[in-house]
Order: sequence, then structure tokens, then C-alpha cells
Amino acid sequence: AQSVSQHNHHVILSEAASLELGCNYSYGGTVNLFWYVQYPGQHLQLLLKYFSGDPLVKGIKGFEAEFIKSKFSFNLRKPSVQWSDTAEYFCAVRQAAGNKLTFGGGTRVLVKP
Amino acid sequence: DAGITQSPRYKITETGRQVTLMCHQTWSHSYMFWYRQDLGHGLRLIYYSAAADITDKGEVPDGYVVSRSKTENFPLTLESATRSQTSVYFCASGGGGYNEQFFGPGTRLTVL
Repeated sequence: AQSVSQHNHHVILSEAASLELGCNYSYGGTVNLFWYVQYPGQHLQLLLKYFSGDPLVKGIKGFEAEFIKSKFSFNLRKPSVQWSDTAEYFCAVRQAAGNKLTFGGGTRVLVKP
Repeated sequence: DAGITQSPRYKITETGRQVTLMCHQTWSHSYMFWYRQDLGHGLRLIYYSAAADITDKGEVPDGYVVSRSKTENFPLTLESATRSQTSVYFCASGGGGYNEQFFGPGTRLTVL
């Protein structure tokens, strides 16, 4: 069974700092990759997704992620965070053309003003 | 309004009671999913459905029952609630294939 690891459980940053969240998965076949964000008290929203093509994916709110197939990684980045980026971030993987998502354990990000 | 809704948003129940969590979507998505969210575990898939009358187990199905008589509804039933089922439950829907999943607002369930 595939698994997804998010190595940082908690991250604390100051505004304007850069953010990088790690995500590694275990499945060896072709995958679809997602980053979701959950703001306090809200439901999950899609930040970005990768299916194929350019491994550098740009999403909403200035986020981007890079798929490195050789490292089974899909790290999320933002050059300059804002207080409003305080949230929990989830990486998710799906076997290509499949339907079930496997989520990582999440990373809680706190941005201090 | 179009979207995916869950009810109730909050529920407190006692061990051994039956509880049903409702999920309704207006997009006519073929796929629907139930997840539970627990600290440190992210979201884990309980059950999913590919279409009306087609359901299948996910990663943590024990103690749960689902049905899908209509495309737009996907209720989740805890037949005899246990404390370990205290969690936040999210319903999601999607078109399958290359489509993303859209999540509902969640139901926070406490089993005393």
C-alpha cells in the first residue's frame, strides 16, 4: 500500500520568511499529487495539483510545488509567507487514474505577525 | 447553493448509540468519499462510492456502514459508537479520474 510522509509536523515562521514543506510518497508507479490547505475552522481546499508535464506546479495564493520523481517527493514552497497562511497543509497522493487519495499526516504552519 | 454539505456539524453521543452523519453534494459527482481526521494521522479513508449502489472499503472501515441510494447523498453510520470513533469526519466528492476531490465542512463527533 502506498504511504505519504510529511516530515515536519509543526513549523513556526515570521511573516516574509520563506516556507518549504516536505512530502515523500512510497508508491513506485505513476501518481497524481496534491497539496490541500485547511485554514482554522474550515474545510480542506486544493492549493495545487500535479498530473503530468512541467514538474514545477504553481497554485493559488503564491504557492508552488516541485515534483522530483527520482526522490518520490512533492515539496511545497512559498517565497514569502503572510500571517493568513497560518493553516494545516496536507500532501496527498493518488495512483494515476485511480480514485482514492492517501494523505500525509499534515503540517501545522504558524506564521507570526 | 451548489456544493457539498454535511450535517450535523457537531454531534455528541454516547458509547453504543447509533449515529448517522449526512453528506449531500449538488455537483452530480460520481465519486463520494468519507474520511476521518485525527491528530498525527492526517485524513484516512473510511469508505468511498463510485456511483449509486456501489460502495467499497477504504483504509479504516471497521465500525462504519455506508449506503448510496441516490447520487447526491452518501450517509455514514456508526452502528454502535465507540470512544475511538471520536474524530472529525469529512465527506468529499469528485468526478474520478483526473478530477480533484472537493471537501465538505466536516462533522466533529464526540463519543462519550
